[in-house]
Amino acid sequence: NAGVTQTPKFRVLKTGQSMTLLCAQDMNHEYMYWYRQDPGMGLRLIHYSVGEGTTAKGEVPDGYNVSRLKKQNFLLGLESAAPSQTSVYFCASSPDRPTDEQYFGPGTRLTVT
Amino acid sequence: AQSVAQPEDQVNVAEGNPLTVKCTYSVSGNPYLFWYVQYPNRGLQFLLKYITGDNLVKGSYGFEAEFNKSQTSFHLKKPSALVSDSALYFCAVRVFNTDKLIFGTGTRLQVFP
Repeated sequence: NAGVTQTPKFRVLKTGQSMTLLCAQDMNHEYMYWYRQDPGMGLRLIHYSVGEGTTAKGEVPDGYNVSRLKKQNFLLGLESAAPSQTSVYFCASSPDRPTDEQYFGPGTRLTVT
Repeated sequence: AQSVAQPEDQVNVAEGNPLTVKCTYSVSGNPYLFWYVQYPNRGLQFLLKYITGDNLVKGSYGFEAEFNKSQTSFHLKKPSALVSDSALYFCAVRVFNTDKLIFGTGTRLQVFP
């Protein structure tokens, strides 16, 4: 049982390049989330999904897109990377109730130059 | 607006002494409150949660938290700190009637030998 995994762990992009971050969970969780973590700002929700085929915007969705084609996978895309998107990105999943805790992946450190 | 505040960026405590990490919240409806811990270069790990019932909640690694409705607080406590408790601690609250969490900005706990 690997829990929540993220690939890649590190990435450096040039401004304007695109990339996709992959999150996978093997716990059969319904909900999945993408956050970014920046110093002094805690975690901010980018997008989330309450089930296969669904996505919704979080607090800071601009410049990102997501897809949840399979229940176990949640993809985060950057179409045209900007230096402001330099951050550590975390994926999380949780079962299906508001009282459930979230399980986090190890993170992806992205640098945009 | 719903929010959560962690007023201290850093808390320093000597090993063996009690520790408190503060959290206050503002939320509509009944609050669902969570504490997470982040060790260096790792994802967040769930520590404990308050949903309803007893105001004193016990969690992992000997941590506990006290829910105080009148003061809208949910402070994290431990009777005797360990050096290994040194980490970044996040308080979070479930946004009323949604599937989203709001995280505080985090408090760095440093336990000195």
